[in-house]
Amino acid sequence: DTGVSQNPRHKITKRGQNVTFRCDPISEHNRLYWYRQTLGQGPEFLTYFQNEAQLEKSRLLSDRFSAERPKGSFSTLEIQRTEQGDSAMYLCASSARKPTGANVLTFGAGSRLTVL
Amino acid sequence: EDQVTQSPEALRLQEGESSSLNCSYTVSGLRGLFWYRQDPGKGPEFLFTLYSAGEEKEKERLKATLTKKESFLHITAPKPEDSATYLCAVQASGGSNYKLTFGKGTLLTVNP
Repeated sequence: DTGVSQNPRHKITKRGQNVTFRCDPISEHNRLYWYRQTLGQGPEFLTYFQNEAQLEKSRLLSDRFSAERPKGSFSTLEIQRTEQGDSAMYLCASSARKPTGANVLTFGAGSRLTVL
Repeated sequence: EDQVTQSPEALRLQEGESSSLNCSYTVSGLRGLFWYRQDPGKGPEFLFTLYSAGEEKEKERLKATLTKKESFLHITAPKPEDSATYLCAVQASGGSNYKLTFGKGTLLTVNP
């Protein structure tokens, strides 16, 4: 088990371009999350998948953002027509479903996006 | 809406100088309170989960405690390698009981 893997680690793009990030969760985890973190802030929730179903999307996730998790394995986060305000660290996390007790999220190293 | 407030925003200590970080929270029902450590350019790394008031957990030089309104992360005799941002998060019971709501973190710097 190599933990949560995210690619690419860094992406620099020009405003208006589309970008896609990939997340490979821990294999036995059926829950997957995307968070966004800007400098000096804590991670903010974007979206949540249970298996292949996207069960919640934050209002932070505008129409330019789309996330998928085909077959309940890896996930992609696409940002269309990027804006400078999209510059941030995009964090992926995964967890196993627990009927009792808290749900510990394991985070990846993140994908840093810089929009010029 | 769940809220987490961490203080101080930044803390600078000398090696060996013990101190505490504070996390105040409001949540409709607490499923768990989490502490994570985050190094620059990396994702958060899990430290502790606390479930109920009065609970304490320890790991090396760190001890986390929980009351009904706040949590403390006590750092005893810190070393320079303890320098990082420490994030507090809550997980609510009820509908959205799978996600974490984070505070802004406390940036800890330990000088040798």
